[in-house]
Amino acid sequence: EDKVVQSPLSLVVHEGDTVTLNCSYEVTNFRSLLWYKQEKKAPTFLFMLTSSGIEKKSGRLSSILDKKELFSILNITATQTGDSAVYLCAVEKTSYDKVIFGPGTSLSVIP
Amino acid sequence: KAGVTQTPRYLIKTRGQQVTLSCSPISGHRSVSWYQQTPGQGLQFLFEYFSETQRNKGNFPGRFSGRQFSNSRSEMNVSTLELGDSALYLCASSVDLGRSYEQYFGPGTRLTVT
Repeated sequence: EDKVVQSPLSLVVHEGDTVTLNCSYEVTNFRSLLWYKQEKKAPTFLFMLTSSGIEKKSGRLSSILDKKELFSILNITATQTGDSAVYLCAVEKTSYDKVIFGPGTSLSVIP
Repeated sequence: KAGVTQTPRYLIKTRGQQVTLSCSPISGHRSVSWYQQTPGQGLQFLFEYFSETQRNKGNFPGRFSGRQFSNSRSEMNVSTLELGDSALYLCASSVDLGRSYEQYFGPGTRLTVT
């Protein structure tokens, strides 16, 4: 059965810390891996990863995919209170199949 | 550029009824995806439409259906509503530009089934 696992499920850090969020998957017919940030509203798309070893960056956020070991990490450097959110990882399968979401990592950044 | 809009924002229905939700994507986006979010099951993918064709489908019963119009607007229909259908229904529009991919979510429709 296809599954997406995220760890940790919950994390509390201080402003300025660097955090690494993990996403591992067991999915047939992998197409891409997506990261989202969700505060108390609809999710915000962060990254789509399709190739191993190519880092995607957006400001203080970066992400990389390892298709051999079947995982991805999302790094956030110099965290700010505005980074507090649930970070969701999802795996998209090839055409005419489905998208599977992980449970999310709840990140709290305290001043 | 206007964002993704969903109507209605809130809806209360009774078991057994049916409901239609609407999503207007960002101008130029031809792909629309629908998701269901509940506290118990988290975020789950329903289906994706591209150029009026269903391109991707999640594991939901046939009571959940959708369609997309030529202007890329999409509707989602749920028939014979059950209490468990109470959820936040999100739609997202996206565009794949080859070297980059963009996806934007609408604010969601909060459906309560009583």
